[in-house]
Amino acid sequence: GESVGLHLPTLSVQEGDNSIINCAYSNSASDYFIWYKQESGKGPQFIIDIRSNMDKRQGQRVTVLLNKTVKHLSLQIAATQPGDSAVYFCAENRGYGQNFVFGPGTRLSVLP
Amino acid sequence: EAGVAQSPRYKIIEKRQSVAFWCNPISGHATLYWYQQILGQGPKLLIQFQNNGVVDDSQLPKDRFSAERLKGVDSTLKIQPAKLEDSAVYLCASSLAQGNEQYFGPGTRLTVT
Repeated sequence: GESVGLHLPTLSVQEGDNSIINCAYSNSASDYFIWYKQESGKGPQFIIDIRSNMDKRQGQRVTVLLNKTVKHLSLQIAATQPGDSAVYFCAENRGYGQNFVFGPGTRLSVLP
Repeated sequence: EAGVAQSPRYKIIEKRQSVAFWCNPISGHATLYWYQQILGQGPKLLIQFQNNGVVDDSQLPKDRFSAERLKGVDSTLKIQPAKLEDSAVYLCASSLAQGNEQYFGPGTRLTVT
């Protein structure tokens, strides 16, 4: 069935490098996307969101890119820090009145 | 602003036993969600409340799971009887309204032996 998924289950990056986490979605009706960060023993924490009328949105050290043509979402983290180590989930909202569907997650490990 | 509170944080039970989880959402949030997160997977929605009414319980195993939000604030999720495959983290989240950003609690880690 339709689902939100991630290309890479794990990602290791050197401290200070940039990280890119990818997410594919299959429902063209999805109009709102959120990236969550989940640290060990905690619930998911909102990082950044983007609506389908935008291609790019920037936050503090994070950027989300949305390519509706290929149904692809990415999260870019600049100057990755040890505190960025966590599992990152993308979640899609498939339209007004719908709930969010979460992808399986990518584990980001920051190497010293 | 206080976040979403959940208790207990950890619970270990034997299969066929019963267990209940409690959630207190952020004040003023009308929508409350219960998710099941199996190790290594993303959260899966079990049930959604709008105030004290159920909006979506399509993925709730109703033969053993039940949930209520009687006064439109706190909520409880119950499993009776538990199975081994129910071992997971149970996350509660709340939002101002459906489709808005959800704020998650720390979760309850359930181990069924």
